Amino acid sequence: QQQVKQSPQSLIVQKGGISIINCAYENTAFDYFPWYQQFPGKGPALLIAIRPDVSEKKEGRFTISFNKSAKQFSLHIMDSQPGDSATYFCAASGNFGNEKLTFGTGTRLTIIP
Amino acid sequence: GAVVSQHPSWVICKSGTSVKIECRSLDFQATTMFWYRQFPKQSLMLMATSNEGSKATYEQGVEKDKFLINHASLTLSTLTVTSAHPEDSSFYICSATTGGGALGAFFGQGTRLTVV
Repeated sequence: QQQVKQSPQSLIVQKGGISIINCAYENTAFDYFPWYQQFPGKGPALLIAIRPDVSEKKEGRFTISFNKSAKQFSLHIMDSQPGDSATYFCAASGNFGNEKLTFGTGTRLTIIP
Repeated sequence: GAVVSQHPSWVICKSGTSVKIECRSLDFQATTMFWYRQFPKQSLMLMATSNEGSKATYEQGVEKDKFLINHASLTLSTLTVTSAHPEDSSFYICSATTGGGALGAFFGQGTRLTVV
């Protein structure tokens, strides 16, 4: 019940295209859903996060879509750039983010020219 | 954003020796620090949660006596891998937060441990 399932495992997108990564969770107590970006040999960095009281959150080229009834959320990267090539992790936490994070399995994104 | 610094960034040690990794919050007081382990091309696995001034809470399957965690101040937590073996080779990452959980947590840059 603590799992967060993430797909796809890897993704190749052409420059300028839209990258979409999906996550699903089971624990209905989760109420904070962040996305992290990790470059090789570095720690993760918070990209964007959402709470279940909204269905969408946008920050620049990054958008989270959230479907509470389906217990799914996704990251959309618009106008994908080579600099976006990294591993992306979705995560979830409960108690308004005051609990530990449960991470998804990660998606390795490659943006090709 | 806030800065969390890990030291060292990488370390090579001989089998049987102990290695200490430091995690510092440079510009905020971290009530809680988390330690993760990440194998190549895999996700982050939480090892333990440490709160300043109290004993760390370890996740199931993590050996307390092997991975010693100390959180003696609001800006410093240390992870000591005792009697390291090659299977302990991994990427260790800490995160720090002013609260008790994920919200507002910042990650360190990670420490690559290689045991030979």
